[in-house]
Amino acid sequence: GAGVSQSPRYKVAKRGQDVALRCDPISGHVSLFWYQQALGQGPEFLTYFQNEAQLDKSGLPSDRFFAERPEGSVSTLKIQRTQQEDSAVYLCASSPNRTIKLNTEAFFGQGTRLTVV
Amino acid sequence: GENVGLHLPTLSVQEGDNSIINCAYSNSASDYFIWYKQESGKGPQFIIDIRSNMDKRQGQRVTVLLNKTVKHLSLQIAATQPGDSAVYFCAERRYSTLTFGKGTMLLVSP
Repeated sequence: GAGVSQSPRYKVAKRGQDVALRCDPISGHVSLFWYQQALGQGPEFLTYFQNEAQLDKSGLPSDRFFAERPEGSVSTLKIQRTQQEDSAVYLCASSPNRTIKLNTEAFFGQGTRLTVV
Repeated sequence: GENVGLHLPTLSVQEGDNSIINCAYSNSASDYFIWYKQESGKGPQFIIDIRSNMDKRQGQRVTVLLNKTVKHLSLQIAATQPGDSAVYFCAERRYSTLTFGKGTMLLVSP
């Protein structure tokens, strides 16, 4: 596609509900990143994939957060038993580089705004 | 802990003025610094980056300055336009992650 696409754009979940957020990276991009951005804050790293391999998940805040990229393209971020503090914008970024280091020209999607009520 | 932060949360300028957005960092191990622009409802957009072995880099209407002595990074925007209004984040790269600062909102009045 022309850019990184995320869906849904907005999600309202009741506390305790499970949610799944989808990221379609730019076609052919090897690296994929998930970030969490709280209101008024900068994005915070969650996890990184190189193709289908999850090479870094050090930023996932708890075991309720799980990410996958089974075929090395589309990725899903799943949050189980959502809590109010999970409310944030979840950003996905992709990069064509194979390097383990984040390419500085990673392309970000518009994000999914999750509100837990 | 070590982090990246910004001095000014909001910067208001007039169209045509030059803007300077500042950022302080504390991790001397970072090898890349990047400025991102984020408009409302959109993801961060790469503006310009600079390696730690450089002290200045210029792009179109933008210049990034790096002062490693005082661990300071700045973004200069020449002839600021209303379309430049956004939140600007500095970020430092360490290993496989980018660490973002909190952001500065730039408001440009016509």
